[in-house]
Amino acid sequence: GAVVSQHPSRVICKSGTSVKIECRSLDFQATTMFWYRQFPKQSLMLMATSNEGSKATYEQGVEKDKFLINHASLTLSTLTVTSAHPEDSSFYICRGIHGNTEAFFGQGTRLTVV
Amino acid sequence: SQELEQSPQSLIVQEGKNLTINCTSSKTLYGLYWYKQKYGEGLIFLMMLQKGGEEKSHEKITAKLDEKKQQSSLHITASQPSHAGIYLCGAEDSGYALNFGKGTSLLVTP
Repeated sequence: GAVVSQHPSRVICKSGTSVKIECRSLDFQATTMFWYRQFPKQSLMLMATSNEGSKATYEQGVEKDKFLINHASLTLSTLTVTSAHPEDSSFYICRGIHGNTEAFFGQGTRLTVV
Repeated sequence: SQELEQSPQSLIVQEGKNLTINCTSSKTLYGLYWYKQKYGEGLIFLMMLQKGGEEKSHEKITAKLDEKKQQSSLHITASQPSHAGIYLCGAEDSGYALNFGKGTSLLVTP
């Protein structure tokens, strides 16, 4: 069945480095990819929405220059956390959708910045 | 934007007991999703409700959407330790993005 494959599942990086998270849609074409993050003991918060071939739309308070989103194809979207800092440590998860049909979450990525 | 209020925030029940989690929206719900999550892990899709008065069941979990489509409840019958986790309700906005409630943390004790 349709799946969104997200990796890495866990990553530890040094402060100041960049980390790329990938979400690949399998068996369907994700025309839209939503990116969420979840801080400890909090709910999932929408960060940005990306449509294939166009620039992502960021939610208020999310820095677009820090969280670079690329959605160049219908099967791959990436989120790059640039110049990561400890406060960026969080659980990041993507959700892919094709049109208005059922959407699928990735497995999530736990990022720890040390 | 649509706000979802979940209650209770946390719940501890004895194994075998029934429980209900509520999700109330500030606006009419056009698609209400229930997910289960172990913190820091992926989401497990439970059910999706769209029609007023709709009710769906899967194993021992039943979800309902009220007639006015502004409140949903998730009911677990004869809870088991495997039911423990965080339950999230999510509502779709016009752009199909999901906005989530703050979650209900469930612990089932022996």
